[in-house]
Amino acid sequence: TQLLEQSPQFLSIQEGENLTVYCNSSSVFSSLQWYRQEPGEGPVLLVTVVTGGEVKKLKRLTFQFGDARKDSSLHITAAQPGDTGLYLCAGTNYGGSQGNLIFGKGTKLSVKP
Amino acid sequence: EAGVAQSPRYKIIEKRQSVAFWCNPISGHATLYWYQQILGQGPKLLIQFQNNGVVDDSQLPKDRFSAERLKGVDSTLKIQPAKLEDSAVYLCASSPMRIDGGRLFFGSGTQLSVL
Repeated sequence: TQLLEQSPQFLSIQEGENLTVYCNSSSVFSSLQWYRQEPGEGPVLLVTVVTGGEVKKLKRLTFQFGDARKDSSLHITAAQPGDTGLYLCAGTNYGGSQGNLIFGKGTKLSVKP
Repeated sequence: EAGVAQSPRYKIIEKRQSVAFWCNPISGHATLYWYQQILGQGPKLLIQFQNNGVVDDSQLPKDRFSAERLKGVDSTLKIQPAKLEDSAVYLCASSPMRIDGGRLFFGSGTQLSVL
């Protein structure tokens, strides 16, 4: 069974601080996606990384896929209250007959003004 | 572009009762998914449809859960009879292709409370 472990589980910071959240697995994934979910809403895709070592930037968010394609990180610079939400990583692989998106449990981020 | 529509938004039932959820995916999206998200956890896939055929239902508790997508468009998910542990948010998602690194578009979900 493939598992994606996310850490930390909870994170509460002040506006303007930097933070990094992690997504780790013992399995290799063909791609990893990061989603943000706000209360009462479904997850919304932030980014997809597909190449080992790949780095993608989305404004103040920086996403990295590990060289071995087993882990990923999300770094937020100068966090703002609008960044508050549940950050989910999700992996896909092509080992089976069809791709199945596997989600981690998420990191719940709270950014206080 | 209209998003994935789900109804109802909230449902409260007693254990052993039945409940049904409805989903209308984004127009033209061939693939539809139902996920269960228990509080404090990530979404877990229940069933995946490609058009009106089932691609993956390996994690669907078939003794009580059923789902259909008769015309390859909208879908219903039913629980009969419900148990306390079924309390969760049920998310519907769609994508224009089978998941292969592509994007899933999620609805806002139906929050089910089983008392």
